Amino acid sequence: AQKITQTQPGMFVQEKEAVTLDCTYDTSDPSYGLFWYKQPSSGEMIFLIYQGSYDQQNATEGRYSLNFQKARKSANLVISASQLGDSAMYFCALDSGGGADGLTFGKGTHLIIQP
Amino acid sequence: DTGVSQDPRHKITKRGQNVTFRCDPISEHNRLYWYRQTLGQGPEFLTYFQNEAQLEKSRLLSDRFSAERPKGSFSTLEIQRTEQGDSAMYLCASSRSQGFGPGTRLTVT
Repeated sequence: AQKITQTQPGMFVQEKEAVTLDCTYDTSDPSYGLFWYKQPSSGEMIFLIYQGSYDQQNATEGRYSLNFQKARKSANLVISASQLGDSAMYFCALDSGGGADGLTFGKGTHLIIQP
Repeated sequence: DTGVSQDPRHKITKRGQNVTFRCDPISEHNRLYWYRQTLGQGPEFLTYFQNEAQLEKSRLLSDRFSAERPKGSFSTLEIQRTEQGDSAMYLCASSRSQGFGPGTRLTVT
């Protein structure tokens, strides 16, 4: 069975600081992908970054980077130079089993950026 | 804007009524997923379509729920005899990952 664990229900961070959001996963599939999404209060799921299990390099997208440690089964999201607009829910999700079962999401982390 | 639209954006209904939601995916995407998200939780998979064929259904999809995707284009999700526990955000995704619609927020009173 696939599982995502996000252990930080909420985080407060000062503006312009870097922040790391934790995500650990469990799957028996050798091929899988990990996603991070941002969900503002309006409700839409905004794709941030993707890491494939066979990717040699850690994924980066602008201010977002993914610290992928395969042996530890962790895929932490790092946001550099946080901004007030980064305040939102953040979800880690696992894609395995060929995609027919959709994504398995964690419970999310509520990030609040303080001025 | 991901190009995926959902209608309505909000729905308030009384317990026992039937409701139907619509999702219009990105036209060239043959995969379509429905998810349900309750307060304080991540989205949970409900069902998956490959073109017009419904290939997977979660155990969360009770017999009061039915989904269709005629002609492999738009999809509808119907809930019959709504219960207060059905109150949630219903999200549609076009493709496996990136194309989430804005969601339909259902409130059952």
